[in-house]
Order: sequence, then C-alpha cells, then structure tokens
Amino acid sequence: EAAVTQSPRNKVTVTGGNVTLSCRQTNSHNYMYWYRQDTGHGLRLIHYSYGAGNLQIGDVPDGYKATRTTQEDFFLLLELASPSQTSLYFCASSDELGNQDTQYFGPGTRLLVL
Amino acid sequence: GEQVEQRPPHLSVREGDSAVIICTYTDPNSYYFFWYKQEPGAGLQLLMKVFSSTEINEGQGFTVLLNKKDKQLSLNLTAAHPGDSAVYFCAVSGPLLSGSFNKLTFGAGTRLAVCP
Repeated sequence: EAAVTQSPRNKVTVTGGNVTLSCRQTNSHNYMYWYRQDTGHGLRLIHYSYGAGNLQIGDVPDGYKATRTTQEDFFLLLELASPSQTSLYFCASSDELGNQDTQYFGPGTRLLVL
Repeated sequence: GEQVEQRPPHLSVREGDSAVIICTYTDPNSYYFFWYKQEPGAGLQLLMKVFSSTEINEGQGFTVLLNKKDKQLSLNLTAAHPGDSAVYFCAVSGPLLSGSFNKLTFGAGTRLAVCP
C-alpha cells in the first residue's frame, strides 16, 4: 500500500509567519496533491503536481505556493500566513494520468495561525 | 466546474441500523466516483471506487450505488456498528482525458455516529 507521510503533524504560527509543510510518498506515484479541509467544505484542492519540477494550480491557490523537488517530495509554502489559513492540510498521491487510481492520503497537518 | 452536494452533514444511528449517505454531482461526464472514510486524527481511507452506471457495489458491511442518470452516488452502511463512526466523504473525478481527470471534487462530508 502507498505510504504518504507529512510533517509536521501540528504547527502553530503567527500572522505574517512563514510556514512550510512537507509531504513525502514512497510508492513512485507521479501525481501529488495538497488539500485543505474545513468544516462544511470537505477537502479543497490547493495545488497539485505530476512530477518533479511541475506545478498545477488547484481550486483554492491564493496565499499558497508549492514546490515539487523530487518525485517523492512535495512542499506547501505559506509565506505570509493569515488566520484564514488555519486548517487541516492533507497531502495525497496517485498513479499516472490515464490510469486514475486511488488517491492515497497522508495523516494530515493541523495548522493554527494566531 | 464540478459541484458535489453531500447529505446529510450529520447522521446518528443505533447499532444494527442502516445508514445512508447521498451525493449529487453536476458534471454528467464525471468518470470515477469514490467513497472515503476518515477516522478521528487520521487521513482519508478509501472505501470504494466505482465508475459503472447503475451498479451496486458491495463492500464489507456497505453497499455503493451509482446512478449516472440522476447523477447520484450513495453509500449504504448495513447493520452499522460503533466502529463505523467516522466522517465519510464522496469524491468525483473529472471527465476521462480532460484536464481535470486527475482532480477530485469532494463533498462536504457526513459525520456518522453509531450508538451502542
């Protein structure tokens, strides 16, 4: 089964702070995704990538940057964090385009912006 | 873009009763359909992936029905037990070979409580 890990699991920062959330997958999946989960909204896609160096904009990208440094690693960057970005963040990975497979999710990172 | 409405947002049943969660989507060309379960403090765990129309898919203790004519996806937990208590999400992929094929649109979730 695909393994997706996230770090940190919990993070507290202040408004205007700089935060990096990390995600690593070890099943050689090409696609990786960052979501935020908020009550009443389900999961919303922030950014995704289909390979190292690639970045695609999701549905709620404002205030977020992302970078895919290797096939395994996908980072989400909040350079000027705001309280509206307080949320539960999930990373996921999946197999290649044309073979839409299950998205495997990490355990989540809970971010609090004061 | 695709929109997915999931209901009810909260559901409480007694152990042994059935629980039904329904999602309605808007894009008739949506291709894959998923149900995920999220237990407290955990990520999302896949329950089932379906893509055939009007097909009943049976899992362990649950049934998934996809009705493409009505653009509706349902999850029926038969004889629910306390271990089924979790948040359930439906998700819908974009049309095959489209730019949104590998993107999922999620419902808002249903928090299910199964009481002994």
